[in-house]
Amino acid sequence: DAGITQSPRYKITETGRQVTLMCHQTWSHSYMFWYRQDLGHGLRLIYYSAAADITDKGEVPDGYVVSRSKTENFPLTLESATRSQTSVYFCASREQSLGYNEQFFGPGTRLTVL
Amino acid sequence: GDSVTQMEGPVTLSEEAFLTINCTYTATGYPSLFWYVQYPGEGLQLLLKATKADDKGSNKGFEATYRKETTSFHLEKGSVQVSDSAVYFCALSDERVHDMRFGAGTRLTVKP
Repeated sequence: DAGITQSPRYKITETGRQVTLMCHQTWSHSYMFWYRQDLGHGLRLIYYSAAADITDKGEVPDGYVVSRSKTENFPLTLESATRSQTSVYFCASREQSLGYNEQFFGPGTRLTVL
Repeated sequence: GDSVTQMEGPVTLSEEAFLTINCTYTATGYPSLFWYVQYPGEGLQLLLKATKADDKGSNKGFEATYRKETTSFHLEKGSVQVSDSAVYFCALSDERVHDMRFGAGTRLTVKP
């Protein structure tokens, strides 16, 4: 399927477990992003990637790890999940250009940490 | 740093009512401005955008004008429908930053 997909769509885990959220895009966009959405905070950037093997921290990176070995994939790992990481996670992508182009969002992953 | 402030919700309107959702921004450069819409259980979709001062973005009956003098990008629609019920996010993107800055979102409910 064309576009940007995320998996799983829903995940329940326990405190201390490792969790990986997957993101895949078919447009060959250079930039990819991970956001978390929490009530009252809008979307906050966790990490972003400008290209394969290039990643950088966003506003709220603590407790998260990312990698980007291939242009189309950008997994987000919670190394030791905490309850404060209960949230909805969105992956997004955009073309390589100055920052005027819109971002395209995946459907989201709802993560619950018990 | 760059930021976006939008009116708090929730907003509840009757069908065919006029809608305004206020959005103001702070930026040191010349950002592009966006409105995204999020329907229940879905990701964000671009609704409209404007890339320079005085530009008007429009889509599906929604409009917003980039006002540099008031640093605003208010979303308007003349006659809302039940299907417009969603969460609306104002956002900006600046050439100096890689990401977008989002407002907190405004939940709109339209009742028949």
